[in-house]
Amino acid sequence: GNSVTQMEGPVTLSEEAFLTINCTYTATGYPSLFWYVQYPGEGLQLLLKATKADDKGSNKGFEATYRKETTSFHLEKGSVQVSDSAVYFCALSRPYNTDKLIFGTGTRLQVFP
Amino acid sequence: DTEVTQTPKHLVMGMTNKKSLKCEQHMGHRAMYWYKQKAKKPPELMFVYSYEKLSINESVPSRFSPECPNSSLLNLHLHALQPEDSALYLCASSQEETLSYNEQFFGPGTRLTVL
Repeated sequence: GNSVTQMEGPVTLSEEAFLTINCTYTATGYPSLFWYVQYPGEGLQLLLKATKADDKGSNKGFEATYRKETTSFHLEKGSVQVSDSAVYFCALSRPYNTDKLIFGTGTRLQVFP
Repeated sequence: DTEVTQTPKHLVMGMTNKKSLKCEQHMGHRAMYWYKQKAKKPPELMFVYSYEKLSINESVPSRFSPECPNSSLLNLHLHALQPEDSALYLCASSQEETLSYNEQFFGPGTRLTVL
């Protein structure tokens, strides 16, 4: 079946540290891949997306590359800020079907000054 | 306008009450969604409307009743809920249901507490 696996959190970093949050997926066909972010007490916001192999999504200093050979879509940021503290969800959308998002379990990021 | 709005922000209700959650978008999106999110969990899909017709019901109990009066509005009617239904209820919309590369835009959610 289709699924998304994320690294367990929380991920705790100091400000300006490098961030990687791992995400791997299982899917038939060619899914679209997304990273959503949820700040405390808020809904989900799309952070970035990639719709085909080797695409790189980027936004607000975050980036992720769609790697079909390793079925991965790892989220990276070169220098995190306290304001990046949130829960990050990796998700996939199945092709040629209803675009039911399949979410990973989420990874909490805590950034300290 | 790239916003999905939801009202109310917070709702407390008893198990015998009837209440409604409202969602609105003005992006011209033709697919709208209801999700339920428990603490420290990802959102779980409840319902999908496509072109104002219900296309997915993820085996949701009948005490939750969705309604799509027009392409911009989505309601979720609540009746005889249980305490375990307490959660954050998220609304989302996307341009079309069947185009997988279209991202979903989420509202801020309604925090529901059932006493």
